[in-house]
Amino acid sequence: QSVLTQPPSVSGAPGQRVTISCTGSSSNIGAGFDVHWYQQLPGTAPKLLIYGNINRPSGVPDRFSGSKSGTSASLAITGLQAEDEADYYCQSYDSSLSVVFGGGTKLTVL
Amino acid sequence: QVQLQQWGAGLLKPSETLSLTCAVYGGSFSGYSWSWIRQPPGKGLEWIGEINHSGSTNYNPSLKSRVTISVDTSKNQFSLKLTSVTAADTAVYYCARLPQTWGQGTLVAVSS
Repeated sequence: QSVLTQPPSVSGAPGQRVTISCTGSSSNIGAGFDVHWYQQLPGTAPKLLIYGNINRPSGVPDRFSGSKSGTSASLAITGLQAEDEADYYCQSYDSSLSVVFGGGTKLTVL
Repeated sequence: QVQLQQWGAGLLKPSETLSLTCAVYGGSFSGYSWSWIRQPPGKGLEWIGEINHSGSTNYNPSLKSRVTISVDTSKNQFSLKLTSVTAADTAVYYCARLPQTWGQGTLVAVSS
């Protein structure tokens, strides 16, 4: 049971927009801690996609965007491409300063 | 650009101690926290704990009784020890400087 809740799977056709939610509580996301998002391709280490709720590292396409409101955060992917098929994880912190992850969401490009 | 290189034993028997080390290259070791994260086969990410350059640690409460993370600042390395392993500890273990930088991962299997 992960501290942050993500949908197990989402899907979309090429070119479409999908969103992945990450729901926490008043002791983590709702307490003001930053949310980060990672993309994990099979057999590889997670890659940072969004940091500090809304910021993209250099090299990440602007098709990826993050938002945060209250006790939740979201990752949006527009102009879906086949190469976006991967697992996505959100990560934040809780009031004990532990790192917490979401359970992960598998994105399928139809 | 910081890079992490990790190593350690990949096959353990139940009750043995898992031991992994992560070396930090190309950046400052001080001023950051250094984490260990694991991922069981087909499952999600689980944070194990972290250490800073001065040796202060913070552990996942669910693993705290079995985990020790240490640091060797002279070598820019940090290490993970997990005692009394069982099959449930089989996972890919990553070292990381969250959120930006991750090691390549080490598969550790526990089997009799």
